[in-house]
Amino acid sequence: GIQVEQSPPDLILQEGANSTLRCNFSDSVNNLQWFHQNPWGQLINLFYIPSGTKQNGRLSATTVATERYSLLYISSSQTTDSGVYFCAVAYSNYQLIWGAGTKLIIKP
Amino acid sequence: GAVVSQHPSRVICKSGTSVKIECRSLDFQATTMFWYRQFPKQSLMLMATSNEGSKATYEQGVEKDKFLINHASLTLSTLTVTSAHPEDSSFYICSARRGGSSSPLHFGNGTRLTVT
Repeated sequence: GIQVEQSPPDLILQEGANSTLRCNFSDSVNNLQWFHQNPWGQLINLFYIPSGTKQNGRLSATTVATERYSLLYISSSQTTDSGVYFCAVAYSNYQLIWGAGTKLIIKP
Repeated sequence: GAVVSQHPSRVICKSGTSVKIECRSLDFQATTMFWYRQFPKQSLMLMATSNEGSKATYEQGVEKDKFLINHASLTLSTLTVTSAHPEDSSFYICSARRGGSSSPLHFGNGTRLTVT
């Protein structure tokens, strides 16, 4: 089945820094989403981005479907950005396949 | 739009009892709902997929008699953990999809189950 790999697994940054999180996937997809799971466990849907580029405030994402990767950019990090960022993809059988996540810690 | 409400957010129960978790799509009709389980420091694991009015499809290794899923309407799915044991303690999350396979999923806030 399709494999999803996220990197880096862990990232520690100072407040105000920028970061790039990567998601590689092994096959064609028609659904790719980025999620932020906050320290309380809540999953927040950041982007639905099977292809192209989207921006929402300090966050942006780009998916290059032909090269099977997606990038999540976080600019001017804040402590509230801490948590785990998941990439999940789906293809014809509509089941989301999850990456292992990137744990982000933003230090004040 | 696309709000999914999951209730309760936290539940503590005694071993041997059953616990029901509700997942509601508040402002849309969900053609498909999904139930996930998350162990500490791990990614989400799909437990089952349910479509309104039909039996849920369980993933390999998930006991259908222990984790009962009922998708009674286009806005409500329930997960019942029957005869709960401490090893069932986990974080359970539901999600709902409005359309077909390429549509985004919308997630509830999760339920933290602790079985004592």
